[in-house]
Amino acid sequence: ELKVEQNPLFLSMQEGKNYTIYCNYSTTSDRLYWYRQDPGKSLESLFVLLSNGAVKQEGRLMASLDTKARLSTLHITAAVHDLSATYFCAVTAGGTSYGKLTFGQGTILTVHP
Amino acid sequence: GAVVSQHPSRVICKSGTSVKIECRSLDFQATTMFWYRQFPKKSLMLMATSNEGSKATYEQGVEKDKFLINHASLTLSTLTVTSAHPEDSSFYICSAFGTGFEKLFFGSGTQLSVL
Repeated sequence: ELKVEQNPLFLSMQEGKNYTIYCNYSTTSDRLYWYRQDPGKSLESLFVLLSNGAVKQEGRLMASLDTKARLSTLHITAAVHDLSATYFCAVTAGGTSYGKLTFGQGTILTVHP
Repeated sequence: GAVVSQHPSRVICKSGTSVKIECRSLDFQATTMFWYRQFPKKSLMLMATSNEGSKATYEQGVEKDKFLINHASLTLSTLTVTSAHPEDSSFYICSAFGTGFEKLFFGSGTQLSVL
């Protein structure tokens, strides 16, 4: 059974600081997703990582994937209040199961002035 | 990017009634869509895979007679919660792949509250 664990689950940051959210998964996977969710809203796609060593950046967020360690990181640089949200990583088992995602518990990020 | 539309966004119903939720791919065709469920402050759990023109595939523990899925066209999947009870209250979200099967896009979600 594929399991996905995120940490931390709660993250309170000051504006301007850097931090990293970690996502570990239990079995081999073809791809890893990062999503953002605002309260009462659906999921916004941030990144999809398809191969070992993949690194993608968008604004103040950068995601990386180490398939050997079964670990992905979401790095936040110089946080701003607008980044406050819940962040989920999700992993697929691949093959015919590309759309069947197993999600991490989510990391609630709060950025303070 | 690809757009997945979901309707309604919010529904309140009495216990025992049935509720239909629609999921549409607006600018692409989706032979497969996925239905997820999210409880308050929790993560998402896959309920079922909706396949155009064939029966849905349900995840373990999901009652197929309670959650009826129909995928009658390449752009529309529906989830019907039959004889809803308060424990069915949840946030239901559908998803589909955009062109190229790389990014998985999610609908806007439906908050179901059963009184």
